[in-house]
Amino acid sequence: AQSVAQPEDQVNVAEGNPLTVKCTYSVSGNPYLFWYVQYPNRGLQFLLKYITGDNLVKGSYGFEAEFNKSQTSFHLKKPSALVSDSALYFCAVISGGYQKVTFGTGTKLQVIP
Amino acid sequence: EPEVTQTPSHQVTQMGQEVILRCVPISNHLYFYWYRQILGQKVEFLVSFYNNEISEKSEIFDDQFSVERPDGSNFTLKIRSTKLEDSAMYFCASSDGRGNTEAFFGQGTRLTVV
Repeated sequence: AQSVAQPEDQVNVAEGNPLTVKCTYSVSGNPYLFWYVQYPNRGLQFLLKYITGDNLVKGSYGFEAEFNKSQTSFHLKKPSALVSDSALYFCAVISGGYQKVTFGTGTKLQVIP
Repeated sequence: EPEVTQTPSHQVTQMGQEVILRCVPISNHLYFYWYRQILGQKVEFLVSFYNNEISEKSEIFDDQFSVERPDGSNFTLKIRSTKLEDSAMYFCASSDGRGNTEAFFGQGTRLTVV
């Protein structure tokens, strides 16, 4: 089985400050981890992924995420938040022989001007 | 850039009616998915489809739901007799079949059952 937890329903951050959106996962094999973003009334857009290699992965729009195997976490980060980053963020995982993507419940990021 | 397209963008239907949601996946992809998202809530897996058959489905995907790839390009989700609680955003996705690659999502169809 595979699952993803996003412990925060909402994260508020001031524009220009660093942001972190948390994600932890549970899998039976090696995880493939993803972050997607959903802007209002839009579909899911791929941001970044971790498959193997460097634990710090960089993605679109200046976002990055750090894979931490011992803490089973894959937190999304950005050094300096923009108001336009305000959206719903979903962490997702695939593992083992699974083909389906399992999503977290989503975290609403609100960047305050 | 290739993309997954979904039609219609918004469908309103009366309770008990049948609806068909349509998707055109990325052409060289092998796995196809339907997900749904009740307004503002989490994204829920419905079904995955590979080699012209369902490879996995969730408990949400009951006998009222069916999927089909009728012509090699379209991928459809049919709800036979819609209920109010079927109102949601439905997302189609496709992937190239390698588990370590991302799924590409369409923009979604907002289904409103009245």
